[in-house]
Parts: sequence; C-alpha cells; structure tokens
Amino acid sequence: DIQVTQSPSTLSASVGDRVTITCRASQSIRSWLAWYQQRPGKAPKLLIYQASNLESGVPSRFSGSGSGTEFTLTISSLQPDDFATYYCQQYKSYWTFGQGTKVYIK
Amino acid sequence: VQLVESGGGVVQSGRSLRLSCAASGFAFSNYAMHWVRQAPGKGLQWMSIISYDGSDKYYADSVKGRFTISRDNSKSTLYLQMNSLRTEDTAVYYCVRTPGWFGNTYDYWGQGTLVTVSS
Repeated sequence: DIQVTQSPSTLSASVGDRVTITCRASQSIRSWLAWYQQRPGKAPKLLIYQASNLESGVPSRFSGSGSGTEFTLTISSLQPDDFATYYCQQYKSYWTFGQGTKVYIK
Repeated sequence: VQLVESGGGVVQSGRSLRLSCAASGFAFSNYAMHWVRQAPGKGLQWMSIISYDGSDKYYADSVKGRFTISRDNSKSTLYLQMNSLRTEDTAVYYCVRTPGWFGNTYDYWGQGTLVTVSS
C-alpha cells in the first residue's frame, strides 16, 4: 500500500501570506497526486490534479509542484476563503489521502 | 452535476444499513463511482469503486466482505450495503464521481450522509 504523509498538520497564517504544504509518498507515484480543500461541514473540493494541473475555476493563487515522492501545494497570497483543511491524495495505486493540514487564521 | 446521498442514521453494532446516492445532471451510466468516508474530526478514507456498468468492484481491506457497492443505471443511483457494522465505521459517507477508472482522481462529491454505529 502506498502511504501519503502531509506536513505540517496545522498551520497558522495571515491574509496575504505565502503558504506551502508538503506531501510525501512512501514510494514513487510519478505525478499521480491531487490536492483538495475542505471547509467545515462541506465536501472536499478538487484544487489540483496530476500534481500541478489547476482544476477549472480554481483561483490561480493555488499551485502544485513535485513528482516522484515529494509534492507541494502553494497558496501565493492567502485569502479569507482559504482558511480550511487541505488534503493530498495519491491515485497511482488505489486511492489514499494524507492526514490533512488545517490552515488557521493567525 | 448533483450527487445526493441518503440512508444514514444511527444503527447498533452488528446491524446493517444501505446508503443510496441519487445522481443527476450527467450521464450516470458512463461513469465509475466511489464511496469515500470521513470519521468525525478525521481524514478521508477510500472505501470502494464500481465500474460504469457495475461489472468491476474493488474494496478497501477494512470493509472487504462486509460492504457491497452496487448501482442501478436505470435509476441513476449508487448504493452501499453495509453489513456487520462496527463502531469504527462511524463516519460521513460521500458518493464521489471519477472521470475515469484506476489512475484517476475525483471530480464531483455529494454532500455526505452521516452513519453512527452505537455499541
């Protein structure tokens, strides 16, 4: 089974900050990685697929990079709407999610 | 695209429950579908996938032999039959669409239905 580890688990930031979240896979998943945003009480929303492709309608301040076992999600300038929990997901072999990163207001 | 889950509730450990997911706004019979769950305050866990025509099904080890995924394309509805429920099955269950098969992620999620298994 492919394990996926996210860091940090929580992150405190201010509006306008640049934020980076990291995801590590237990083996190479090439670019088979997605990022989701989940607001409280809501279903997850797809942000990035294939490690770096922005889903239609997602603001360009979100970007993804990486391949193999190391990946990052970057929010270039944090907006009030962005305070949420973020999950990475590998889909090379079945589907597994990271533990999540909760982004708090500083 | 709309996915609306139903059938959740409180059930005793060892009992059964069937979840439904009514799909609309797209050609349901053309898409594979998943169930994904999220325990209260926890992360996301893939449960099961079914092919567009229902002929192929796969399950997470934690539910294999207890849960059964199925679909009725004439009703545009996805199902999850959950038997021998355990307290650790308590979660919000999401119905999720995938644009492909293995090697694809998810594009649309339902709002979820809460299943609470009591001891």
